[in-house]
Amino acid sequence: AQSVTQLGSHVSVSEGALVLLRCNYSSSVPPYLFWYVQYPNQGLQLLLKYTSAATLVKGINGFEAEFKKSETSFHLTKPSAHMSDAAEYFCAVTATGANNLFFGTGTRLTVIP
Amino acid sequence: DAGVIQSPRHEVTEMGQEVTLRCKPISGHDYLFWYRQTMMRGLELLIYFNNNVPIDDSGMPEDRFSAKMPNASFSTLKIQPSEPRDSAVYFCASTQGTIAKNIQYFGAGTRLSVL
Repeated sequence: AQSVTQLGSHVSVSEGALVLLRCNYSSSVPPYLFWYVQYPNQGLQLLLKYTSAATLVKGINGFEAEFKKSETSFHLTKPSAHMSDAAEYFCAVTATGANNLFFGTGTRLTVIP
Repeated sequence: DAGVIQSPRHEVTEMGQEVTLRCKPISGHDYLFWYRQTMMRGLELLIYFNNNVPIDDSGMPEDRFSAKMPNASFSTLKIQPSEPRDSAVYFCASTQGTIAKNIQYFGAGTRLSVL
């Protein structure tokens, strides 16, 4: 079985500050891991994904995430927050070859001007 | 392409009524997914299809829910009879190939309110 835990349902950062959104996973098999972003009244949009290639994954909008097996983590970072980054972010996991995604409960990011 | 198109965007109905949600996937995509998002349970996969065939419906909450995909360009999610606890945002998503190797595109969702 797979699951993810997102630490912190709300994160606030100042514009220009580092963004760090935490995600820890649990999986009995090698996982595929994803980060999605959801803007108000919209569907989810894929930011990036890890599928057993490079452990440091770069995504859209300047975001990146690092897969750390020893820590069972897949934290999302961005060096400098923009106002447009304010949204809800979801971490998700699936098993290799599967198509059923298990989502975390989400982290709402607020960017303070 | 216009993306994944869901209709209606908002639906308000009374308990006991039948509700039908509709989805048009991106042309050429062979996987279609239905999700439900609630404050209590977060985002859950209800069912997904591959080449119009249901592959995994283990997330469908109960017999009141049913989903069909009569052709590659259309899918429905039906709730009959509807209950207040079905109030949620329902998303449809599609992918060309598996989600591991491809991008899953989401529709804007249908916000369902059952009174």
